[in-house]
Amino acid sequence: KNEVEQSPQNLTAQEGEFITINCSYSVGISALHWLQQHPGGGIVSLFMLSSGKKKHGRLIATINIQEKHSSLHITASHPRDSAVYICAAYLGNQFYFGTGTSLTVIP
Amino acid sequence: KAGVTQTPRYLIKTRGQQVTLSCSPISGHRSVSWYQQTPGQGLQFLFEYFSETQRNKGNFPGRFSGRQFSNSRSEMNVSTLELGDSALYLCASSSGTGGIEQYFGPGTRLTVT
Repeated sequence: KNEVEQSPQNLTAQEGEFITINCSYSVGISALHWLQQHPGGGIVSLFMLSSGKKKHGRLIATINIQEKHSSLHITASHPRDSAVYICAAYLGNQFYFGTGTSLTVIP
Repeated sequence: KAGVTQTPRYLIKTRGQQVTLSCSPISGHRSVSWYQQTPGQGLQFLFEYFSETQRNKGNFPGRFSGRQFSNSRSEMNVSTLELGDSALYLCASSSGTGGIEQYFGPGTRLTVT
């Protein structure tokens, strides 16, 4: 049983498109994180959310606590956004991870 | 501030051997967590250490162990390696516990043959 479900698994977009990645979790959590992993393995934390919405540049993350759902949006996508995006839910003193969304942005 | 460092970056071991991986957190960070990443299972939590104490452990066999030193550096050890232990092992540090922002190291790529 996966505590965290992420979709889509793979996503290809044209440069400039608006992108949405979804994350659903099954139980109440205390925090949800969005991570970015580039080829080679390095992981960067993009957002930490417990409620509402956060924005950083072209990236926007939202969370709906009642619906147990979070979304990561990328506006005006760019080839450098190509990476794997992973949501991580913090529950019971540990993180549970989604399977990741592999995003490719074509120039 | 220097980031999280992990050594070695790449490692090849034989089934049955043991391995020790090292993680140096960001200066001032007292929490270190370890994760295993494989193509089939994705990212999975191994354990978290805070001030030299293991706070939590994921669902891994006892062959996986770790420790943290007084300078917050951490090591993880895998004994009696199996082929399925081939993975990217990542550590992450944070200033505290409770699901706050984590800073990841580059990982150690372990291949078991």
